[in-house]
Amino acid sequence: EIVLTQSPGTLSLSPGERATLSCRASQSITTNYLAWYQQKPGQAPRLLIYGASTRVTGIPDRFSGSGSGTDFTLTISRLEPEDFAVYFCQEHRNPPGTFGQGTKLEIK
Amino acid sequence: QVQLQQSGPGLVKPSQTLSLTCAISGDSVSSNSAAWSWIRQSPSRGLEWLGRTYYRSKWYREYAVSVKSRISINPDTSKNQFSLQLNSVTLEDTAVYFCARIFYGSFAMDVWGQGTTVTVSS
Repeated sequence: EIVLTQSPGTLSLSPGERATLSCRASQSITTNYLAWYQQKPGQAPRLLIYGASTRVTGIPDRFSGSGSGTDFTLTISRLEPEDFAVYFCQEHRNPPGTFGQGTKLEIK
Repeated sequence: QVQLQQSGPGLVKPSQTLSLTCAISGDSVSSNSAAWSWIRQSPSRGLEWLGRTYYRSKWYREYAVSVKSRISINPDTSKNQFSLQLNSVTLEDTAVYFCARIFYGSFAMDVWGQGTTVTVSS
Protein backbone atom coordinates (compact mmCIF):
# COMPACT_ATOMS: atom_id res chain seq x y z
CA GLU A 1 0.00 0.00 0.00
CA ILE A 2 1.31 3.43 -0.94
CA VAL A 3 1.74 5.86 1.95
CA LEU A 4 1.26 9.56 1.20
CA THR A 5 3.09 12.05 3.40
CA GLN A 6 2.05 15.68 3.24
CA SER A 7 4.16 18.62 4.33
CA PRO A 8 4.12 20.89 6.08
CA GLY A 9 1.55 19.86 8.66
CA THR A 10 0.52 23.47 9.09
CA LEU A 11 1.27 26.42 6.82
CA SER A 12 0.73 29.96 8.09
CA LEU A 13 0.42 32.58 5.38
CA SER A 14 -1.33 35.85 4.67
CA PRO A 15 -3.92 36.58 1.98
CA GLY A 16 -2.22 37.45 -1.27
CA GLU A 17 0.76 35.19 -0.61
CA ARG A 18 1.68 32.05 -2.53
CA ALA A 19 1.12 28.64 -0.93
CA THR A 20 3.08 25.52 -1.83
CA LEU A 21 1.86 22.21 -0.41
CA SER A 22 3.75 18.95 -0.85
CA CYS A 23 2.60 15.34 -1.12
CA ARG A 24 5.24 12.61 -1.24
CA ALA A 25 4.43 8.99 -2.05
CA SER A 26 6.28 5.99 -0.58
CA GLN A 27 6.50 4.49 -4.07
CA SER A 28 5.97 5.83 -7.55
CA ILE A 29 2.42 6.60 -8.63
CA THR A 30 3.07 5.58 -12.20
CA THR A 31 -0.28 6.68 -13.57
CA ASN A 32 -0.03 10.12 -11.92
CA TYR A 33 -3.44 9.41 -10.38
CA LEU A 34 -2.94 11.97 -7.65
CA ALA A 35 -5.84 14.15 -6.49
CA TRP A 36 -6.07 17.16 -4.20
CA TYR A 37 -9.07 17.95 -2.02
CA GLN A 38 -9.96 20.99 0.07
CA GLN A 39 -11.91 20.57 3.30
CA LYS A 40 -13.39 23.30 5.46
CA PRO A 41 -14.66 22.73 9.02
CA GLY A 42 -17.91 20.81 9.13
CA GLN A 43 -17.89 20.16 5.38
CA ALA A 44 -17.07 17.27 3.11
CA PRO A 45 -13.87 17.34 1.09
CA ARG A 46 -14.09 19.08 -2.29
CA LEU A 47 -12.16 17.79 -5.29
CA LEU A 48 -9.81 20.45 -6.71
CA ILE A 49 -7.28 18.62 -8.90
CA TYR A 50 -7.05 15.11 -10.36
CA GLY A 51 -4.49 13.37 -12.52
CA ALA A 52 -1.87 15.44 -10.68
CA SER A 53 -2.58 18.58 -12.70
CA THR A 54 -6.13 18.64 -14.12
CA ARG A 55 -8.25 21.29 -12.45
CA VAL A 56 -11.91 20.45 -11.84
CA THR A 57 -14.39 22.65 -13.69
CA GLY A 58 -15.23 25.68 -11.59
CA ILE A 59 -12.06 25.64 -9.50
CA PRO A 60 -10.24 29.00 -9.76
CA ASP A 61 -7.06 29.01 -11.84
CA ARG A 62 -5.03 30.20 -8.85
CA PHE A 63 -5.03 26.50 -7.89
CA SER A 64 -2.56 24.37 -9.79
CA GLY A 65 -1.13 20.89 -9.38
CA SER A 66 2.17 19.50 -10.57
CA GLY A 67 4.55 16.63 -10.10
CA SER A 68 5.02 13.02 -11.06
CA GLY A 69 6.35 9.77 -9.69
CA THR A 70 6.65 10.27 -5.95
CA ASP A 71 6.60 14.05 -5.57
CA PHE A 72 3.53 16.18 -6.11
CA THR A 73 2.72 19.82 -5.35
CA LEU A 74 -0.40 21.90 -4.97
CA THR A 75 0.21 25.60 -5.52
CA ILE A 76 -2.19 28.40 -4.71
CA SER A 77 -0.78 31.43 -6.50
CA ARG A 78 -2.45 34.23 -4.51
CA LEU A 79 -4.33 33.24 -1.39
CA GLU A 80 -7.88 34.44 -0.96
CA PRO A 81 -9.57 34.41 2.47
CA GLU A 82 -11.74 31.45 1.44
CA ASP A 83 -8.66 29.32 0.66
CA PHE A 84 -7.74 28.81 4.31
CA ALA A 85 -8.69 25.20 4.94
CA VAL A 86 -7.21 21.71 5.17
CA TYR A 87 -5.87 20.12 1.97
CA PHE A 88 -5.55 16.39 1.35
CA CYS A 89 -3.87 14.46 -1.41
CA GLN A 90 -5.07 11.03 -2.51
CA GLU A 91 -3.90 8.35 -4.86
CA HIS A 92 -7.08 8.06 -6.91
CA ARG A 93 -6.33 4.81 -8.63
CA ASN A 94 -8.88 2.13 -9.38
CA PRO A 95 -9.89 1.02 -6.73
CA PRO A 96 -9.28 4.12 -4.61
CA GLY A 97 -6.07 4.43 -2.67
CA THR A 98 -4.96 6.12 0.47
CA PHE A 99 -5.20 9.74 1.55
CA GLY A 100 -2.45 11.88 2.98
CA GLN A 101 -2.82 13.15 6.53
CA GLY A 102 -3.52 16.71 5.40
CA THR A 103 -1.94 20.17 5.46
CA LYS A 104 -3.74 22.87 7.39
CA LEU A 105 -3.45 26.25 5.69
CA GLU A 106 -4.08 28.93 8.29
CA ILE A 107 -4.14 32.69 8.28
CA LYS A 108 -0.98 34.28 9.61
CA GLN B 1 -26.19 18.83 -10.77
CA VAL B 2 -25.41 15.64 -8.88
CA GLN B 3 -26.20 15.64 -5.17
CA LEU B 4 -25.87 13.00 -2.48
CA GLN B 5 -28.02 13.09 0.66
CA GLN B 6 -27.04 10.90 3.60
CA SER B 7 -29.32 9.56 6.30
CA GLY B 8 -29.00 7.23 9.25
CA PRO B 9 -28.53 7.13 13.02
CA GLY B 10 -25.73 8.99 14.72
CA LEU B 11 -25.39 6.62 17.65
CA VAL B 12 -24.69 2.89 17.53
CA LYS B 13 -24.00 0.52 20.39
CA PRO B 14 -20.83 -1.59 20.44
CA SER B 15 -21.18 -4.96 18.66
CA GLN B 16 -24.22 -3.74 16.73
CA THR B 17 -24.56 -2.78 13.06
CA LEU B 18 -23.98 0.69 11.65
CA SER B 19 -26.39 1.44 8.78
CA LEU B 20 -26.32 4.52 6.55
CA THR B 21 -28.03 5.40 3.28
CA CYS B 22 -26.98 7.76 0.50
CA ALA B 23 -29.71 9.03 -1.83
CA ILE B 24 -28.60 10.11 -5.30
CA SER B 25 -30.10 12.92 -7.36
CA GLY B 26 -28.91 14.00 -10.79
CA ASP B 27 -27.30 10.64 -11.59
CA SER B 28 -28.15 6.96 -11.42
CA VAL B 29 -26.80 4.33 -9.07
CA SER B 30 -26.80 2.08 -12.16
CA SER B 31 -24.64 4.48 -14.18
CA ASN B 32 -21.93 2.84 -16.29
CA SER B 33 -19.59 5.78 -15.72
CA ALA B 34 -19.64 6.06 -11.94
CA ALA B 35 -19.02 4.12 -8.77
CA TRP B 36 -20.53 4.83 -5.37
CA SER B 37 -18.29 4.87 -2.33
CA TRP B 38 -18.25 5.21 1.41
CA ILE B 39 -15.39 6.98 3.19
CA ARG B 40 -14.91 7.78 6.85
CA GLN B 41 -12.84 10.33 8.71
CA SER B 42 -11.58 10.27 12.27
CA PRO B 43 -8.74 12.04 14.13
CA SER B 44 -6.89 8.75 14.63
CA ARG B 45 -7.27 7.24 11.14
CA GLY B 46 -7.70 10.32 8.93
CA LEU B 47 -9.64 9.82 5.71
CA GLU B 48 -10.21 6.15 4.97
CA TRP B 49 -11.89 4.71 1.89
CA LEU B 50 -14.18 1.84 2.95
CA GLY B 51 -15.63 0.45 -0.24
CA ARG B 52 -17.75 0.96 -3.31
CA THR B 53 -20.41 -0.52 -5.54
CA TYR B 54 -20.87 -0.06 -9.27
CA TYR B 55 -22.74 -1.49 -12.23
CA ARG B 56 -21.02 -2.77 -15.38
CA SER B 57 -23.55 -5.20 -16.83
CA LYS B 58 -23.69 -6.66 -13.35
CA TRP B 59 -23.18 -5.34 -9.84
CA TYR B 60 -19.72 -5.21 -8.32
CA ARG B 61 -18.69 -4.51 -4.75
CA GLU B 62 -15.14 -3.81 -3.56
CA TYR B 63 -14.06 -3.28 0.02
CA ALA B 64 -11.01 -2.04 1.89
CA VAL B 65 -9.01 -4.81 3.50
CA SER B 66 -9.35 -3.16 6.90
CA VAL B 67 -13.13 -3.68 7.02
CA LYS B 68 -13.70 -6.42 4.44
CA SER B 69 -15.00 -8.98 6.92
CA ARG B 70 -17.59 -6.60 8.39
CA ILE B 71 -18.84 -4.40 5.58
CA SER B 72 -21.59 -4.53 2.98
CA ILE B 73 -22.41 -1.84 0.42
CA ASN B 74 -25.59 -2.36 -1.57
CA PRO B 75 -27.41 -0.49 -4.31
CA ASP B 76 -31.15 0.11 -4.29
CA THR B 77 -32.21 0.84 -7.85
CA SER B 78 -35.87 1.38 -6.93
CA LYS B 79 -34.91 4.34 -4.73
CA ASN B 80 -31.73 5.36 -6.59
CA GLN B 81 -29.60 5.09 -3.49
CA PHE B 82 -26.94 2.93 -1.90
CA SER B 83 -26.29 1.84 1.62
CA LEU B 84 -23.52 1.01 4.05
CA GLN B 85 -23.70 -1.67 6.69
CA LEU B 86 -20.80 -2.15 9.07
CA ASN B 87 -21.19 -5.05 11.48
CA SER B 88 -19.79 -5.65 14.94
CA VAL B 89 -18.80 -2.05 15.49
CA THR B 90 -16.33 -0.97 18.18
CA LEU B 91 -15.33 2.39 19.59
CA GLU B 92 -12.74 2.61 16.78
CA ASP B 93 -15.58 2.89 14.25
CA THR B 94 -16.57 6.25 15.66
CA ALA B 95 -16.07 8.69 12.78
CA VAL B 96 -17.70 11.00 10.29
CA TYR B 97 -18.97 8.88 7.40
CA PHE B 98 -19.26 10.27 3.88
CA CYS B 99 -20.70 8.85 0.69
CA ALA B 100 -19.16 9.94 -2.59
CA ARG B 101 -19.30 9.40 -6.33
CA ILE B 102 -16.25 8.23 -8.21
CA PHE B 103 -16.58 9.54 -11.74
CA TYR B 104 -14.86 7.34 -14.27
CA GLY B 105 -13.61 10.27 -16.26
CA SER B 106 -11.18 10.91 -13.44
CA PHE B 107 -11.40 8.01 -10.95
CA ALA B 108 -11.51 10.74 -8.31
CA MET B 109 -14.31 11.46 -5.83
CA ASP B 110 -16.01 14.42 -7.41
CA VAL B 111 -19.30 14.59 -5.49
CA TRP B 112 -19.68 14.03 -1.74
CA GLY B 113 -22.52 13.71 0.71
CA GLN B 114 -22.79 16.05 3.65
CA GLY B 115 -21.33 13.60 6.16
CA THR B 116 -22.85 11.80 9.14
CA THR B 117 -21.20 11.76 12.53
CA VAL B 118 -21.52 8.25 13.95
CA THR B 119 -20.61 7.62 17.57
CA VAL B 120 -20.19 4.10 18.88
CA SER B 121 -21.12 4.14 22.55
CA SER B 122 -23.12 2.11 25.02
